[in-house]
Amino acid sequence: GAGVSQSPSNKVTEKGKDVELRCDPISGHTALYWYRQRLGQGLEFLIYFQGNSAPDKSGLPSDRFSAERTGESVSTLTIQRTQQEDSAVYLCASSLQGYEQFFGPGTRLTVL
Amino acid sequence: AQTVTQSQPEMSVQEAETVTLSCTYDTSESDYYLFWYKQPPSRQMILVIRQEAYKQQNATENRFSVNFQKAAKSFSLKISDSQLGDAAMYFCAYRNRDDKIIFGKGTRLHILP
Repeated sequence: GAGVSQSPSNKVTEKGKDVELRCDPISGHTALYWYRQRLGQGLEFLIYFQGNSAPDKSGLPSDRFSAERTGESVSTLTIQRTQQEDSAVYLCASSLQGYEQFFGPGTRLTVL
Repeated sequence: AQTVTQSQPEMSVQEAETVTLSCTYDTSESDYYLFWYKQPPSRQMILVIRQEAYKQQNATENRFSVNFQKAAKSFSLKISDSQLGDAAMYFCAYRNRDDKIIFGKGTRLHILP
């Protein structure tokens, strides 16, 4: 595709429910990143996939958060038993190895 | 571990004037990349400029230029002839040899008409 796409663009859920956020990277990009951005704050690194290597999960805030990536294509970020503190914009980015990231428009998650 | 520090949470500049945003970083690596990203209210992150650490020449993109001081681990962004459309959050970022990218906390830039 022309750019990184994310779905849904907005998600409202109730506390305790599970949510799945999707990211479609630019075709051919080997690296894929997930970030969390709380209102008015910077980007908080969550997880990073690079090719077939084991993902860098060092930024995941708790075991309620997990992410999968199928080969070098789509990735899903799953948040189980959502809490109000999970409310944020979740940004996905992809890149070719060694080059700058291209970002998706983000998913705004609101936990009521 | 690498860190990126942006010491100015907010800045303001008069339209058509020049403004400089600061960024410092900490690393033990010698080969890396540095970036400035812009995030307007639409929240879409846009690459402004990139700098390869092995290049001594400062990168320039139209009205945007950097002052890269490798020994001082400093990477400031200069915006010349500021325009209303430059109003945004600006993030400094460091990419290490493993392709992990670390962001600063950002500087919110206001353009005064």
